[in-house]
Amino acid sequence: DVQLQESGPDLVKPSQSLSLTCTVTGYSITSGYSWHWIRQFPGNKLEWMGYIHYSGSTNYNPSLKSRISITRDTSKNQFFLQLNSVTTEDTATYYCARGGLRPSWFAYWGQGTLVTVSA
Amino acid sequence: QIVLTQSPAIMSASPGEKVTMTCSASSSVSYMHWYQQKSGTSPKRWIYDTSKLASGVPARFSGSGSGTSYSLTISSMEAEDAATYYCQQWSSNPYMYTFGGGTKLEIK
Repeated sequence: DVQLQESGPDLVKPSQSLSLTCTVTGYSITSGYSWHWIRQFPGNKLEWMGYIHYSGSTNYNPSLKSRISITRDTSKNQFFLQLNSVTTEDTATYYCARGGLRPSWFAYWGQGTLVTVSA
Repeated sequence: QIVLTQSPAIMSASPGEKVTMTCSASSSVSYMHWYQQKSGTSPKRWIYDTSKLASGVPARFSGSGSGTSYSLTISSMEAEDAATYYCQQWSSNPYMYTFGGGTKLEIK
């Protein structure tokens, strides 16, 4: 079964970069699908951040395009999120997820990791 | 970008009661997907492609709709259905996935 697990620091200072890792087991991220980052703010609003396709191409939420980068390490079956110049408004629970065969739904989610941006 | 508005924001139902919640899109979408989220857990795909139930979802759930108006219905409320439900869509221009604000369903 496909499993995703987020990891990374739970506290980041304002103006610094937020970096998270998603480790995937049960499926190779180069075999198919798109691999996403989604966040949920306090108050529960969900926001799609971007993805890396199994081919290696990426696509980002236009509202984050200047600050976000999603990369991968195929040897470790991991993909990464980097969000630059964070503010307190980036405090959220960050999820990694697998997309569908076409742009559609998210069938598999990680358990999420809460990242707080605070001095 | 397409905005999804869910209503009501909060609702409660008695066991056995029929429940309907709606998701309205600011522009026409091809499909709507729904997620169930319980406190402290990640969202679970619940209904996809408007009306298909994800694996393990009870048959008392159904989804319907088209264009800008979609709904999730529970034919007979059970205690385990208490959760927050989110709708979600994908659009190509701009390339975006968006979520509704959620409907919190409580048991009476």
